Amino acid sequence: EPEVTQTPSHQVTQMGQEVILRCVPISNHLYFYWYRQILGQKVEFLVSFYNNEISEKSEIFDDQFSVERPDGSNFTLKIRSTKLEDSAMYFCASSGRGTSGGTTYEQYFGPGTRLTVT
Amino acid sequence: RKEVEQDPGPFNVPEGATVAFNCTYSNSASQSFFWYRQDCRKEPKLLMSVYSSGNEDGRFTAQLNRASQYISLLIRDSKLSDSATYLCVVSSLDTGRRALTFGSGTRLQVQP
Repeated sequence: EPEVTQTPSHQVTQMGQEVILRCVPISNHLYFYWYRQILGQKVEFLVSFYNNEISEKSEIFDDQFSVERPDGSNFTLKIRSTKLEDSAMYFCASSGRGTSGGTTYEQYFGPGTRLTVT
Repeated sequence: RKEVEQDPGPFNVPEGATVAFNCTYSNSASQSFFWYRQDCRKEPKLLMSVYSSGNEDGRFTAQLNRASQYISLLIRDSKLSDSATYLCVVSSLDTGRRALTFGSGTRLQVQP
């Protein structure tokens, strides 16, 4: 069964450093997303990406964040200057093209990257 | 008011029990509804989409009441492996908007 993969599984970085989190979405999917979950809190939407551009972003996704699809398979989230409060689990998700009355809006999540900022 | 509200639990039930989770959402523009399950420190896994007519998948039944902005999930014949946090999730699905809004989840513990 196709699945979303993410690397690394755990990233430890110092405050102020840049990190890049990587994701390989499901191969025939067209929409890609990043979410985060701070320990003990709910999952929060960061950004969605379609047709090589951001289609939606939340208030959390400020100028320190950026996303890119550098090739036909990878989807990355870059955090430019990490803060202590960026420590969280970051989940990548993907979904297929929606069709009227269909169910392909369903989003499938990768296993996550645990980011620890010290 | 929270966008998606769930009873945090935990619900402690014996194996074989029937358990029901409820969820309310505040955005009347919400178009798509889902139940995900999340095991401790793992990713959310899609359990089922929720359709207006209600739908069933094996031991799981989901219902949607748009007028009351209320979603439910019923689990029959609970198994130990059902122990997890159940996340109620909605999406408005306006043009270009596919962001999922998650509830905080309801924790289920099925006991032998």
